[in-house]
Amino acid sequence: VQLVESGGDLVQPGKSLRLSCAASGFIFHDYAMHWVRQGPGKGLEWVASINWNSDSIHYAESVKGRFTISRDNAKNSLYIQMNSLRPEDTAFYYCARDILRNSAYEFDHWGQGTLVTVSS
Amino acid sequence: QSVLTQPPSASGTPGQRVTIPCSGGTSNIGNHYVYWYQQLPGTAPRLLIFRNYQRPSGVPDRFSGSKSGTSASLAISGLRSEDEADYYCAVRDDSLSGVVFGGGTRVTVL
Repeated sequence: VQLVESGGDLVQPGKSLRLSCAASGFIFHDYAMHWVRQGPGKGLEWVASINWNSDSIHYAESVKGRFTISRDNAKNSLYIQMNSLRPEDTAFYYCARDILRNSAYEFDHWGQGTLVTVSS
Repeated sequence: QSVLTQPPSASGTPGQRVTIPCSGGTSNIGNHYVYWYQQLPGTAPRLLIFRNYQRPSGVPDRFSGSKSGTSASLAISGLRSEDEADYYCAVRDDSLSGVVFGGGTRVTVL
């Protein structure tokens, strides 16, 4: 199992950014997926989840209305579109695999993370 | 401020037993499975304990989890230098979307 995030960058407040997570080594469409973030020197915060066929999506209150999670099972890829970015969104963003098709919120594999810095 | 409370730090000497508590409430620990994640310095988290006390393959049996009422704990017996890491508890919460993590506990091996 391998999860590789990309797309992290330095962006100004109010701007947008799209992160990607390339999955390999398992049947991607058999698993729900999540984004979890970690601010510098801070703890873990769950951000968003998407089930295997994208018909069940959930967000943390802190990002609801600004972030959109999506997946492309044909490309074995997970995405998160982040709009109206704020300095408090600065964090490492990890993609994580769930153990089930529909979220059990049990993360058995994690990517290495990609850093998003929101600053003027 | 997380709904799950963990001490910020814990320590022990090699070979000792260290216990990390995670305190919650009836809407989270009292009603759902507890998970523990280990994050070694500079690395991504990894699943250490699932469904209160079960270990994924590859996790040494020095690590054990337990739950009672609205509290849970992670115990590390026979502490080793490679156990220096941050440890997070995680639980679903009936009043929140998704999963909540505790604030994390940094374990230092003296």
